[in-house]
Amino acid sequence: SYVVTQSPSLSVAPGQTATITCGENNIGSKSVHWYQQKPGQAPVLVIYYDDDRPSGIPERFSGSNSGNTATLTISRVGAGDEADYYCQVWDGSNDRVVFGGGTKLTVL
Amino acid sequence: DVQLAESGGGLVKPGGSLRLSCAASGFTFRNHAMSWVRQAPGKGLERVSSISGSGTNTYYGDSVKGRLTISRDNSRNTLFLQMNSLRTEDTAVYYCARGPHHDPPDVFDFWGQGTMVTVSS
Repeated sequence: SYVVTQSPSLSVAPGQTATITCGENNIGSKSVHWYQQKPGQAPVLVIYYDDDRPSGIPERFSGSNSGNTATLTISRVGAGDEADYYCQVWDGSNDRVVFGGGTKLTVL
Repeated sequence: DVQLAESGGGLVKPGGSLRLSCAASGFTFRNHAMSWVRQAPGKGLERVSSISGSGTNTYYGDSVKGRLTISRDNSRNTLFLQMNSLRTEDTAVYYCARGPHHDPPDVFDFWGQGTMVTVSS
């Protein structure tokens, strides 16, 4: 079955850029979605279909997907961006939803 | 505004049953696939089950097939999850989540606040 891999943690200084990746063989052939989850809260969709931003999500959040890696980029990181970030794909070959294990972003 | 409100969680013994509900408002319910996504304590996200907007197509994760049943009542704008033969590993927060399309349930654009299910003797 399809499995996507995320690094478990990432630390970034305020004002810098956070780059969170989601890897799997030929993930570029699928659409990737990204969710932000803060402690005690429900997940929030921040990027969908690789690089689209839902209404209300700041332009600092962007996405890309090519080859074996999908990327969520958060520019000008602030304390409010501290959260777990999950990537997700739809495996249309067997109608399955696959989540990555999540990356915990810490703002130093 | 889109609102999703889950209810029905609680403490149940192994082998027991529970029925979760999700009341939806702020959008045309029948036009959207709906899903249940769970999160065990300290763990990641797992899609449990999904259903197309009309209710014709249903989808299940391998770990719950045969034990959980998803359904919807489009006249009442409500999503359900009937949970039978519950196991300790089903302990989690269960989120109701909306998809932007009728089908497939390939992404989740709005989420409820979740309801806790605890399976323990």
